[in-house]
Amino acid sequence: EIVLTQSPATLSLSPGDRATLSCRASQGVANYIAWYQHRPGQAPRLLIYDASKRATGVPARFSGSGSGTDFSLTISSLEPEDFAIYYCQQRSTWLFGPGTKVEI
Amino acid sequence: QLLESGGGLVKPGGSLRLSCEASGINFASYSMYWVRQAPGQGLEYISSFSAVSGLIQYADSVKGRFTISRDNAKNSVFLQMNNLRVEDTAVYYCASRYGSGWLDSWGQGTVVTVSS
Repeated sequence: EIVLTQSPATLSLSPGDRATLSCRASQGVANYIAWYQHRPGQAPRLLIYDASKRATGVPARFSGSGSGTDFSLTISSLEPEDFAIYYCQQRSTWLFGPGTKVEI
Repeated sequence: QLLESGGGLVKPGGSLRLSCEASGINFASYSMYWVRQAPGQGLEYISSFSAVSGLIQYADSVKGRFTISRDNAKNSVFLQMNNLRVEDTAVYYCASRYGSGWLDSWGQGTVVTVSS
C-alpha cells in the first residue's frame, strides 16, 4: 500500500508570503499525485492534478511539481482565502495524505 | 452539481443509506466516489464505482460493511452503511471523476453520527 506523508503538519504564514508544502510517497507514483484545498465547512476543491496541472479555475499562484516519490505544492503569494488545509492524494488506491494546515 | 442526503444519527450496529444526486453532467460517464472526514481528522477515501470498467473498490476500514451502488437513470450514487461503528462518525462527501482523471467535483457533504 502506498502511503503519503505530508510536511509540515502546520505552516504559520502571513498574507503575501510564499508557501511550500511537501508530499512524499512511500513508493514511486510517477506523476499521479493531486492536491486538494479544504476550507472548514466547505467542500474540498481540486487544485493540482498529475503533479503539476492546474485544475479549471485555479489561480496561477498555485503550482505543483515533482515526480516519483517527492512532490510539492507552492502558493506564490498567500491570499486570505488560501488559509486552509491541503491534502495530497495518490491514484493507485486513492488514499490521501494527512494534510498540511496553512494558518495565519 | 452533487447533492448528498441521508445522513443522520444512528446507534452503533445500525444502518444508514446515503444518496448523492448529480445534476448538469452526463452522469453515466463519471466515476463516483465517497470520501469522509471524521471530527478533527483528515480526508479518508471510502469507496468508488468506476463508470467505464464498473470496478468497485473499498477502503479496508469499511470493507464488508459498506456497499456502493449507482443508478444512472436517476443520476445517483448510493452508499449503504451497515453495522455502523462510533468511528464511522464523519461528514460524508460524494465526488465525481471525469475530465482530469481526479476528484474534480464534490458535494457539500452529509453528516453521519453514530452514537448510543
